[in-house]
Amino acid sequence: EPEVTQTPSHQVTQMGQEVILRCVPISNHLYFYWYRQILGQKVEFLVSFYNNEISEKSEIFDDQFSVERPDGSNFTLKIRSTKLEDSAMYFCASSGNRAGANVLTFGAGSRLTVL
Amino acid sequence: KQEVTQIPAALSVPEGENLVLNCSFTDSAIYNLQWFRQDPGKGLTSLLLIQSSQREQTSGRLNASLDKSSGRSTLYIAASQPGDSATYLCAVSYSGGYQKVTFGTGTKLQVIP
Repeated sequence: EPEVTQTPSHQVTQMGQEVILRCVPISNHLYFYWYRQILGQKVEFLVSFYNNEISEKSEIFDDQFSVERPDGSNFTLKIRSTKLEDSAMYFCASSGNRAGANVLTFGAGSRLTVL
Repeated sequence: KQEVTQIPAALSVPEGENLVLNCSFTDSAIYNLQWFRQDPGKGLTSLLLIQSSQREQTSGRLNASLDKSSGRSTLYIAASQPGDSATYLCAVSYSGGYQKVTFGTGTKLQVIP
């Protein structure tokens, strides 16, 4: 069964450092997303990406965040200067574009710990 | 702002019981609703997706229903097993082409052998 893969599974970084989280979405999907889950809290939407541009972003997704699809397979989330409150599990997801088949498929997540 | 609430927050049942998890949402103009399972420290696994035009979906021992007008969905699990122990999340989408979803608060289920 096709799956979304994320790397790294866990990253520990110092406050102020740049972090890049990587994702390989399902190959025939067209929509890509990042969600995050702070420990003990709800899963929150960060950003959606379609046709090589951001289609929607939440208020959490400020200037410290950026996304990129550098080639035909990878989808990355960059945090420029990490803060303690960025510590969370970050989930990449993808979905298709056919009506009735918008099942969101999530990766296993990347746990980010900012010290 | 859309709010999605799940009741109960936690549930503990003996193996073999049938159970119902509840999800309510404040804005009934949804596009679809999806139920997910999350195991501790793991990702989210899609269980069922119900389109706004549908009333229910079934997969094995799982049945999800949707009542848009009242802003509610239920996930019914038949003959529960210890392997069903996990957190169950409902997520609501308001857009058609893509899936920006709003997640509920989750129900943590423990099935006792």
